[in-house]
Amino acid sequence: NAGVTQTPKFQVLKTGQSMTLQCAQDMNHEYMSWYRQDPGMGLRLIHYSVGAGITDQGEVPNGYNVSRSTTEDFPLRLLSAAPSQTSVYFCASSPESRLVQFFGPGTRLTVL
Amino acid sequence: GENVEQHPSTLSVQEGDSAVIKCTYSDSASNYFPWYKQELGKRPQLIIDIRSNVGEKKDQRIAVTLNKTAKHFSLHITETQPEDSAVYFCAASAEDTGRRALTFGSGTRLQVQP
Repeated sequence: NAGVTQTPKFQVLKTGQSMTLQCAQDMNHEYMSWYRQDPGMGLRLIHYSVGAGITDQGEVPNGYNVSRSTTEDFPLRLLSAAPSQTSVYFCASSPESRLVQFFGPGTRLTVL
Repeated sequence: GENVEQHPSTLSVQEGDSAVIKCTYSDSASNYFPWYKQELGKRPQLIIDIRSNVGEKKDQRIAVTLNKTAKHFSLHITETQPEDSAVYFCAASAEDTGRRALTFGSGTRLQVQP
């Protein structure tokens, strides 16, 4: 099992550009989520999904969109990048039976 | 919503000493409390978790205690080693709700001096 994978590892964007961060898992987990990590602020939940076709907002959803068309994939879209979105983004998944979250390796995003 | 506060933000100990990190939470419905360790440049990884039906859990040199009445929980690391140096995050969640989201504390940077 590859576990949770994320691409790209690094990305630099200009203000106003859009892009999609990819997340995939091969553990057949129902629950997937996106967090951003900023210095001194821990991990904050952006969006989450409890299954294919079902998504909901987390603590900091503004400026981001998600969709969940398959169990395996949960992409995060930045609609119009802003410098405030400079952060490290982690995708995570967990099985239905437990809340333990398995994190991907992260994507470091810089918005200039 | 849930709010988790974590202290201290940095902690420096000598190798072999114990380290204690404390967290408080606000939502009395929370019943699942994991701890994650994040090494520099790596992803967070679960090291131990506790549910509200127990007051303490141990795994080798790591233990977690929970006081539901006071809404706080703590991570205890004994006989610290240099490889314990990392950032540690506590989190809380209400496992029974459909949301199933974790609320994280702001992290504690632990440095173990050899």
